[in-house]
Amino acid sequence: GQQLNQSPQSMFIQEGEDVSMNCTSSSIFNTWLWYKQEPGEGPVLLIALYKAGELTSNGRLTAQFGITRKDSFLNISASIPSDVGIYFCAGQLAGANSKLTFGKGITLSVRP
Amino acid sequence: DAGVTQSPTHLIKTRGQQVTLRCSPISGHKSVSWYQQVLGQGPQFIFQYYEKEERGRGNFPDRFSARQFPNYSSELNVNALLLGDSALYLCASSFGGLNYGYTFGSGTRLTVV
Repeated sequence: GQQLNQSPQSMFIQEGEDVSMNCTSSSIFNTWLWYKQEPGEGPVLLIALYKAGELTSNGRLTAQFGITRKDSFLNISASIPSDVGIYFCAGQLAGANSKLTFGKGITLSVRP
Repeated sequence: DAGVTQSPTHLIKTRGQQVTLRCSPISGHKSVSWYQQVLGQGPQFIFQYYEKEERGRGNFPDRFSARQFPNYSSELNVNALLLGDSALYLCASSFGGLNYGYTFGSGTRLTVV
């Protein structure tokens, strides 16, 4: 099935650093979502974006909905060890109850 | 408040067997979706139900089926299990509608041997 493009597969950063992740698609979406998944758990919603160009923050996390509606980015500032996990982007088309299309995820490691 | 609950948490089945996975949505949520997550991949959409009706189906064979009950809980059934069906099966619930995020359960880890 279709998956959104997330790369690289893994990122290693030092505690306190900022990190930015990108997600691209060949088709447009009406909603972009960013999830974080930790071992043994399901994905947890971090930020939802509903409008092209929208910039939304949630604590140290900031995400933007690309103008073309084919991309989104997530920025984590001043990383801490508990930021470790797999970060997924997901796109959703218009229409009630539509499915989520996920990327393959980026595994983030934070060195203390 | 209870989140999305799934049972069982882990399951081992033999090729050719059938399996039923269960999901209870967050209270008040009327939409339930099922996703399959193979190791190293993002979740892949299997089914979506809203108000007990199927509203979407992903690219999965007919061996996969699901239903939603009057209390909005849901079951996912997989027949004639293959080794490739080994995955984490995630259930997500939502109020329904585009501007409501999905809340995922912790999943059922299915291993087919």
